[in-house]
Amino acid sequence: DGGITQSPKYLFRKEGQNVTLSCEQNLNHDAMYWYRQDPGQGLRLIYYSQIVNDFQKGDIAEGYSVSREKKESFPLTVTSAQKNPTAFYLCASSQTGAGSDYQPQHFGDGTRLSIL
Amino acid sequence: GQQVMQIPQYQHVQEGEDFTTYCNSSTTLSNIQWYKQRPGGHPVFLIQLVKSGEVKKQKRLTFQFGEAKKNSSLHITATQTTDVGTYFCAGHSGYALNFGKGTSLLVTP
Repeated sequence: DGGITQSPKYLFRKEGQNVTLSCEQNLNHDAMYWYRQDPGQGLRLIYYSQIVNDFQKGDIAEGYSVSREKKESFPLTVTSAQKNPTAFYLCASSQTGAGSDYQPQHFGDGTRLSIL
Repeated sequence: GQQVMQIPQYQHVQEGEDFTTYCNSSTTLSNIQWYKQRPGGHPVFLIQLVKSGEVKKQKRLTFQFGEAKKNSSLHITATQTTDVGTYFCAGHSGYALNFGKGTSLLVTP
């Protein structure tokens, strides 16, 4: 089945440590996204990428970094500069559309990151 | 930037009652998408509205897009326990999707 795979499901980070969250999709989608979700909050955009080797900052990019070396992969690194990283991280992908032809986003199962 | 506001934040209903969540934007939207997130799960796309005044139905769910394309609503008729979850609206700002904070629906049997 086609879909988005996020790993690991749970992740623990020590103080001062960088951690990388994996996101792989086999939907052949051009666009990929990373969101952060805190309890009782909506989804806040961290980074997005419309095409390989290109990505844009979202609303809360500080303390995070990404790469898009392959179409199917969009890993997110939570750096030690992110002082409050405990959250639920969701990766999504979509086909790109022009004008009003925006495509729906398909989400992975998420990664829950906690501080030790 | 574009702000998408949703109300109410929480709604608790008895099974069989109706439910409505409202979405409002500070700017005109090119489209509105609705997603549902079950407890412990991930958001799942429900529907997209594009045209001014558009109304779409999915069984017991009715989605509306305002004439001015600044607001939208989701109405569920005769709720069931399977409707439990958080419903999000989202509007595009360029390529990015701005999500509302969602309305969490609890249905008591």
